[in-house]
Amino acid sequence: GNSVTQMEGPVTLSEEAFLTINCTYTATGYPSLFWYVQYPGEGLQLLLKATKADDKGSNKGFEATYRKETTSFHLEKGSVQVSDSAVYFCALSEGNTPLVFGKGTRLSVIA
Amino acid sequence: EAGVAQSPRYKIIEKRQSVAFWCNPISGHATLYWYQQILGQGPKLLIQFQNNGVVDDSQLPKDRFSAERLKGVDSTLKIQPAKLEDSAVYLCASNPGPATYEQYFGPGTRLTVT
Repeated sequence: GNSVTQMEGPVTLSEEAFLTINCTYTATGYPSLFWYVQYPGEGLQLLLKATKADDKGSNKGFEATYRKETTSFHLEKGSVQVSDSAVYFCALSEGNTPLVFGKGTRLSVIA
Repeated sequence: EAGVAQSPRYKIIEKRQSVAFWCNPISGHATLYWYQQILGQGPKLLIQFQNNGVVDDSQLPKDRFSAERLKGVDSTLKIQPAKLEDSAVYLCASNPGPATYEQYFGPGTRLTVT
């Protein structure tokens, strides 16, 4: 079955540092890939998505590129802010099938 | 556009009691999902509805969990009787239907079973 593996946290960075959160996936078909973010006390929000190979999703300074050859969708941001502190989930689905999530990576950004 | 609504936001019950959660999806969204998110883990699907029909309930513990979406709009998820391991956040999500990608999540209901 489909699965998602993302790097274990927590990740602690200083403000303005570069962020990478690794995500790899296993899928039987051609999934769409997502990054969701969960801020403290809030629900899941879609951060960005990519629906086919080589697509780049971007939002709020975050980027991730759908790499079919390495089955990866790593999340990057060039300069993190304290307000980026949250839990980040990598996920996949095929069409409107249920999302399959990774375990989440907690990011803490310190000033 | 109103988002996905869920209630209650928090619930504390004792084991062996019953509890029900309610979800109102975004208007016009045909597909509705219930996910369970245990602390420190990613959400996992419990059940998926397409309109008022069940598409996937393979991960739903049917001896204690039940869900319905009678008119193809609102949905309720019930646990009876609750166990300690049911402590989790229960998330409802919706999307417009087949061939659409994005799911919109509600704020969740945090259940604590003591």
